[in-house]
Amino acid sequence: EDQVTQSPEALRLQEGESSSLNCSYTVSGLRGLFWYRQDPGKGPEFLFTLYSAGEEKEKERLKATLTKKESFLHITAPKPEDSATYLCAVRTHYGGSQGNLIFGKGTKLSVKP
Amino acid sequence: DAGVTQSPTHLIKTRGQQVTLRCSPKSGHDTVSWYQQALGQGPQFIFQYYEEEERQRGNFPDRFSGHQFPNYSSELNVNALLLGDSALYLCASSATGKLTEAFFGQGTRLTVV
Repeated sequence: EDQVTQSPEALRLQEGESSSLNCSYTVSGLRGLFWYRQDPGKGPEFLFTLYSAGEEKEKERLKATLTKKESFLHITAPKPEDSATYLCAVRTHYGGSQGNLIFGKGTKLSVKP
Repeated sequence: DAGVTQSPTHLIKTRGQQVTLRCSPKSGHDTVSWYQQALGQGPQFIFQYYEEEERQRGNFPDRFSGHQFPNYSSELNVNALLLGDSALYLCASSATGKLTEAFFGQGTRLTVV
C-alpha cells in the first residue's frame, strides 16, 4: 500500500537553530515527491518537486533532498516567519499519466525569536 | 497569473443539505483534483478530472460528485451532508502529460452544523 510518514509531528526551534524534517515513503512507481508549506486555514503552498534519488533543490533557507526511501527538508538558520506546517506528498503512477498525491500528516514547525 | 482560485472561502451548511464548491485552475493547466483536509491531517484525495471526465477516484462515497467544464474549471458537489464532512476542501491543478508541479487553491472551509 502506498504510504507517506512524516516525522517529527511537531518541532520547536529557536531562531537560527538549524534542523531537518523527515518524510519516508513507500509507493509503487514514484512520479515525484512534493514538499508544501501550509499556514493555518490556507491552502498548501508549493515548495519543491523531486523526481529521482540524489536530487537536491534549494530555496532560501530550505533545502530538499531525496533518496529511494525518504526525503529530508533541511532548514538552515530558521526565522519566526518559517513557522508553518510542512507537508510531504508523493505522486502515484496511474495508467502512464499523473496519479493523485498521497500526503503525510505534516510536521508543524514553530520557530521562536 | 491568478493561480488556482476557489469559491466560496467559507461556507456553513446544515446536516442533510447539499453544497457546491468551485475551482478555476491555474492558466495552462487542464487537470483538476479535489482533496479533503480534516483538522490536523494531511489532504485526502477525492477525485481527479481531465477532459471533463472523472479519471481517478479516492475512497469517498457517491455523495461526493464532480464536474469539469470545457474551460477546465471544476465543481465539487456533496449531497446529504454529514457532520463529518466538515473540513477544508482543496482544489489542485496541474498539466497532464507532464511531470509538473501541482498547485493548490486557498481552499473552502465547510462547516456542517
